[in-house]
Amino acid sequence: GNSVTQMEGPVTLSEEAFLTINCTYTATGYPSLFWYVQYPGEGLQLLLKATKADDKGSNKGFEATYRKETTSFHLEKGSVQVSDSAVYFCALSEGTGKLTFGQGTILTVHP
Amino acid sequence: NAGVTQTPKFQVLKTGQSMTLQCAQDMNHEYMSWYRQDPGMGLRLIHYSVGAGITDQGEVPNGYNVSRSTTEDFPLRLLSAAPSQTSVYFCASSYEGRNTEAFFGQGTRLTVV
Repeated sequence: GNSVTQMEGPVTLSEEAFLTINCTYTATGYPSLFWYVQYPGEGLQLLLKATKADDKGSNKGFEATYRKETTSFHLEKGSVQVSDSAVYFCALSEGTGKLTFGQGTILTVHP
Repeated sequence: NAGVTQTPKFQVLKTGQSMTLQCAQDMNHEYMSWYRQDPGMGLRLIHYSVGAGITDQGEVPNGYNVSRSTTEDFPLRLLSAAPSQTSVYFCASSYEGRNTEAFFGQGTRLTVV
């Protein structure tokens, strides 16, 4: 079956630090890959996605590249802000509306 | 633009009680699904639907029922609540296809005592 593994958290950074959250996946087919973000008290919202190998998704300064050879989709941001504090989920989809999620990584950014 | 609406936002149940979590979307999405979120486990799929009249089980379906009589609504029924069902529940919807974005409701925090 499909699975997604995220780095253990939580992650605590100072403002303007560099962020990496690791994500690796196992899939039987050719999935699309997603990063979702959950702000406190809210539902999940799409941060970025990539639909095929070597695609780079980007949004709000965050980036992730679909690496088929290493089955990875690591999330990066060059300079985090306090407002980036949230829970980040890596996920994959092979269609039919089903998403397989990683465990989630809590990010806290201090001024 | 309502998107995905879940009710209630909070609920406390006694063990053995039943209840229905409501989910409605106004985007004419074919796909709808229910997830539960537990600490350290991410979101796990309970049930999903690819269209009106069609439902299927996800990873953790035991103790839950669903039906989809209309495109818009996808209620989740807890038949006999147990403390292990204490969780945050999210409903999501999307268009057909593996590349499409899922839209989530704000969640229902359920406590079973």
